[in-house]
This record gives sequence, C-alpha cells and structure tokens, in this order.
Amino acid sequence: AQSVTQPDIHITVSEGASLELRCNYSYGATPYLFWYVQSPGQGLQLLLKYFSGDTLVQGIKGFEAEFKRSQSSFNLRKPSVHWSDAAEYFCAVGSNQGGKLIFGQGTELSVKP
Amino acid sequence: EAGVAQSPRYKIIEKRQSVAFWCNPISGHATLYWYQQILGQGPKLLIQFQNNGVVDDSQLPKDRFSAERLKGVDSTLKIQPAKLEDSAVYLCASSLEGSSGNTIYFGEGSWLTVV
Repeated sequence: AQSVTQPDIHITVSEGASLELRCNYSYGATPYLFWYVQSPGQGLQLLLKYFSGDTLVQGIKGFEAEFKRSQSSFNLRKPSVHWSDAAEYFCAVGSNQGGKLIFGQGTELSVKP
Repeated sequence: EAGVAQSPRYKIIEKRQSVAFWCNPISGHATLYWYQQILGQGPKLLIQFQNNGVVDDSQLPKDRFSAERLKGVDSTLKIQPAKLEDSAVYLCASSLEGSSGNTIYFGEGSWLTVV
C-alpha cells in the first residue's frame, strides 16, 4: 500500500539557518511526489512537485527537494529560513488510482529569531 | 484565476446536529475532492468526484456523511448526525482531471467544531 512518513513532528530552526524536512514514501512504481505548506488557518499551498526527470526540483519561496529512489526519500530543503516560513509542511504521494494524494502526518516548523 | 472557494469557513455545532459545507472548484476542473484533516494529522481523502460521478468514497463514513456534485461543478458535503470526532477541517480541492500527475489545488477549508 502507498504511504508517506514524515519522521519529524516538530522542528525548530533559527532564522537564516538552513532547513531540511524529511519525507519517506512507500510506492511500487515511479512516484509522483509533492510538498505542500499550510499556514495557520489556511489551506494547502503547493511548494513543488516531482514527476520524472531531474531529481532536484525547484519550487516557490526558495524551496527545493531531491528525489532519491534508492532511499525512497523526497526531502525538502531551503538554504536560509525566514520567519515567514513558520508553518506546517506536508509531503504527499499521488496515488495510481484516480490521482488522489496520500499525505504524511506533517512537520511543524518553528523559526526562532 | 479564482481558486477553490469554500463556505462556511467556521462552524460550531452540537453533537447529533447536522452541518453542510459547500465547495466551488476552479473553473474547468473535472475532478473534485473532499479531504478531512484532524488536528495534528495529514489530510485524508473522504470522497473524489470525476465530473458528477463518484470515483472513490471508500473512506467516507456513509452512515453519517454524504456528498453530491450535481451538474459536475459545485459540491456539498453533509454530516448528519455529527459526532465529537468529526471536529476537523474539511478541505475541498480540485484538479483538471483525476490522474496521478495532476496538480491538486486546495481551498482554505471549513473548520468544524462539534461540542
């Protein structure tokens, strides 16, 4: 069965520091992978997606993610975090049945001054 | 381009009462999804429509939840009677079509508190 695991429930980083959020997936074939961000009281906004090709994907707001098939991972990175990046981040895999998204449980990011 | 619209944004009801949420997807999007997001968890699919037909409702608690998408555009999700554990955010989303590679766009959600 398809599944997504985000091992870190909560991460705190200092403003200006680098960030890496982990995501591991379980999927039989080449996956479609997504990262979404959810600010408090808001819906989900797509940061980036991976379908095929280059394994390093660039997204909005300075985020990038790298697909590593050997590790079944799709980790999200940002070189320098801003206070406005504080939010909940969700990794998801696109199901091969109807295209629905299967989400991880999310990682809450806090940014300290 | 207008995004996915949802209403109401917030609702507080007592257990055993009923509630309905409305969703208007992005224009031209054939596929519409309703997700349930319980606090501290990732969203979980309740039901998926392709035009006005149901593609997947395997996770919908059909004894109390119902959804329809008449005319293949707007959709309504109803809960009757509500239970305390139904307290969650109900997210509506849409995509051009229901294939694995399509980007899914989310509304801001309808926040339900059952007391």
